[in-house]
Amino acid sequence: KQEVTQIPAALSVPEGENLVLNCSFTDSAIYNLQWFRQDPGKGLTSLLLIQSSQREQTSGRLNASLDKSSGRSTLYIAASQPGDSATYLCAVPPGNTGKLIFGQGTTLQVKP
Amino acid sequence: ETGVTQSPTHLIKTRGQQVTLRCSSQSGHNTVSWYQQALGQGPQFIFQYYREEENGRGNFPPRFSGLQFPNYSSELNVNALELDDSALYLCASSLEIWTSGASTDTQYFGPGTRLTVL
Repeated sequence: KQEVTQIPAALSVPEGENLVLNCSFTDSAIYNLQWFRQDPGKGLTSLLLIQSSQREQTSGRLNASLDKSSGRSTLYIAASQPGDSATYLCAVPPGNTGKLIFGQGTTLQVKP
Repeated sequence: ETGVTQSPTHLIKTRGQQVTLRCSSQSGHNTVSWYQQALGQGPQFIFQYYREEENGRGNFPPRFSGLQFPNYSSELNVNALELDDSALYLCASSLEIWTSGASTDTQYFGPGTRLTVL
């Protein structure tokens, strides 16, 4: 059974810092991994999707890496800003299904 | 914005009642998935519909049911509401090709419906 874990659960950093969010999964047989952002009480916004054949994806100040063999993904945020404050979730589809299994999320606070 | 809309935004019901939540998929998408997100938790998969057929179900009882319509909009119905059903309900749409037997498309989420059961 696929399980997804995110560490840390919460993180507070001063503005301008570079930071790394971690995601681990127990079954390496994944087809892709997706990172989402969720603002309080809102829906999810897709940030990056990494296919199993890729090792990383970049979008602006965000860079996500994927290491299937070790069951890990990281989301790197460069030069953090107060607007980056949100909960970040990673998710994987088990096998070839379309359903997503989510981690619990990391709640990020960037202080001005 | 993702182009996925949900209604209503908020809903308050009492135990034992029934509720219907609605989702309008992003234009051109043929697949919709529903998730339940309890406070402080990650979303939990309820079920998925692909071209009007159920295409996978999570660990939810039969009183959670769904429909997908020819225009790819969708409904989630919950009967005999329980207090633990209080949550944010999210739908997500995607364009699945399934040529490789795998889901490869990004799922685009709506803003959610906040259901409170008293």
